[in-house]
Amino acid sequence: KQEVTQIPAALSVPEGENLVLNCSFTDSAIYNLQWFRQDPGKGLTSLLLIQSSQREQTSGRLNASLDKSSGRSTLYIAASQPGDSATYLCAVNSGGSNYKLTFGKGTLLTVNP
Amino acid sequence: NAGVTQTPKFQVLKTGQSMTLQCAQDMNHNSMYWYRQDPGMGLRLIYYSASEGTTDKGEVPNGYNVSRLNKREFSLRLESAAPSQTSVYFCASSEGIGYYQPQHFGDGTRLSIL
Repeated sequence: KQEVTQIPAALSVPEGENLVLNCSFTDSAIYNLQWFRQDPGKGLTSLLLIQSSQREQTSGRLNASLDKSSGRSTLYIAASQPGDSATYLCAVNSGGSNYKLTFGKGTLLTVNP
Repeated sequence: NAGVTQTPKFQVLKTGQSMTLQCAQDMNHNSMYWYRQDPGMGLRLIYYSASEGTTDKGEVPNGYNVSRLNKREFSLRLESAAPSQTSVYFCASSEGIGYYQPQHFGDGTRLSIL
């Protein structure tokens, strides 16, 4: 059974710092990995989706990498801003269909002004 | 830009009561999903509908029923609510169930069962 772990559970950084969020998964036979953002009291917003054949994806200040063989993904946030404060979740698709997502428990990020 | 709309946003029920959570999407998506999110557990899939007219069980379907009313709407029903069903419920949709298609989420329904 696929298990997804996100470390750390919470992270607090000063504004402007570059930071890395980690996601690990136990079964490397995946189709893709997605990073989501969740604001308090809101639903999930998809940030980046990396296919199993890709090594990384970039969107603005965000860069996600994927190392299937080691079962790891990182989300790099450059020049963090207070507006980046949210919970970040990763989800692994290991079943080849959208109903086969396994979510991590998330990292709560606080960016202090 | 409504996206995925869930109603109600908050609800308190007594044990044994029934209720239906509503979800509607305006993106002409084929597939819809119901999740629950519990502290320390992550999101877990309850039911999904790959296309209009079909529904299937997810990881935690016990105690729930669903109806895909039409292409836009997908409802979740609790027939006899139990305290273990206290959770935040999210509805999501995607163009299809293909693994390359991202899901779009509603803002959730916060449900407390006393």
